[in-house]
Amino acid sequence: DQQVKQNSPSLSVQEGRISILNCDYTNSMFDYFLWYKKYPAEGPTFLISISSIKDKNEDGRFTVFLNKSAKHLSLHIVPSQPGDSAVYFCAARTSNAGGTSYGKLTFGQGTILTVHP
Amino acid sequence: NAGVTQTPKFQVLKTGQSMTLQCAQDMNHEYMSWYRQDPGMGLRLIHYSVGAGITDQGEVPNGYNVSRSTTEDFPLRLLSAAPSQTSVYFCASSYQLSSYNSPLHFGNGTRLTVT
Repeated sequence: DQQVKQNSPSLSVQEGRISILNCDYTNSMFDYFLWYKKYPAEGPTFLISISSIKDKNEDGRFTVFLNKSAKHLSLHIVPSQPGDSAVYFCAARTSNAGGTSYGKLTFGQGTILTVHP
Repeated sequence: NAGVTQTPKFQVLKTGQSMTLQCAQDMNHEYMSWYRQDPGMGLRLIHYSVGAGITDQGEVPNGYNVSRSTTEDFPLRLLSAAPSQTSVYFCASSYQLSSYNSPLHFGNGTRLTVT
């Protein structure tokens, strides 16, 4: 069972507009959520994160929103730039209430973002 | 700092062959892990280690072995390669498994094809 789901395999956006990437999760033991960005032939790199006690975290053009009741988080990129074109992975960390899974990250399938000039 | 270094970048194996994927980090990170990336499946945890001499299984450990004799190195061994192990493999490390302020640092991956 996929505990972290990114239901949109791809997203295409015009430069300057907003990109919204979505992620849903099912495990209530997740306490920390992260977004990673991956360019071709490179490893994922950390982008932004949010604790489960918050509902928003902002870093420059990137904002992550968390809706715990809906078990949903989203990444907003404003304004989008062609250099943002990459695969974006959502990840969730298991809390210390998760027993032997404590601290491990579970990743979504990824969303390919293409920003057109 | 080189970060997380993986070798080789590409490898082709025949079914039944064995090989070791190398991973080294120079950040003195306690936690190291191996993931595989497959289309539509995201990144799945194979094995991980919370320190030298300590390893444990992740989500998809079958067919793989690991050891952690030093803080820096965490090799992944394929004992008898199978076509189902065709994938891109990523090694990742962080300061501590439980740390909020220490996200995973990934290597650039090894693309493995098993024929």
